[in-house]
Amino acid sequence: AQSVAQPEDQVNVAEGNPLTVKCTYSVSGNPYLFWYVQYPNRGLQFLLKYITGDNLVKGSYGFEAEFNKSQTSFHLKKPSALVSDSALYFCAVRDISLGQGNLIFGKGTKLSVKP
Amino acid sequence: DTEVTQTPKHLVMGMTNKKSLKCEQHMGHRAMYWYKQKAKKPPELMFVYSYEKLSINESVPSRFSPECPNSSLLNLHLHALQPEDSALYLCASSHDRLPDYSGNTIYFGEGSWLTVV
Repeated sequence: AQSVAQPEDQVNVAEGNPLTVKCTYSVSGNPYLFWYVQYPNRGLQFLLKYITGDNLVKGSYGFEAEFNKSQTSFHLKKPSALVSDSALYFCAVRDISLGQGNLIFGKGTKLSVKP
Repeated sequence: DTEVTQTPKHLVMGMTNKKSLKCEQHMGHRAMYWYKQKAKKPPELMFVYSYEKLSINESVPSRFSPECPNSSLLNLHLHALQPEDSALYLCASSHDRLPDYSGNTIYFGEGSWLTVV
């Protein structure tokens, strides 16, 4: 079965510092990996995805993620954090084994960026 | 434009009421989804419609009844709900045209906050 793990419940970063939100995956076959962000009292917003090709994927709001096959990781990164980046971040893998693709989410990581 | 529109944003209903949540997308997506999300938890899949037909029902209680009137609309009819059904209900859609849809992005709406009293 497909799964993703987010080992950190919360990540605290000072504004202007680089940030990393970790995600590891376990899939059979090709991984289709996604990052979503959820601001307080809002829906989920798509940030970026890895399907194939370059291991470094660039997404919205200056975020990027690095796909590492040997470490089965897909960490989300940003060179300089903003207070407005504070939100809940979900890593997800698309599970097509059911025949209709669904998203399997990690538990989420709360990112807190302090001024 | 990757917009999924949900109404209402907030709904308070009694346990004997009948109400509906509505979702609309005009991206030409042929797969639509209902998810349920509790506070600080990841979304949980409830239903999947593919080409306007119900393709997945994740063992959801019958007090939740989905409907897909056409390729742009998705409804969730609510009846005799329990207080524990209070949650954020998210609609989503994806392009998912056969035969290969595995890498397609699923786009979410802003959600409907449901409180059952």
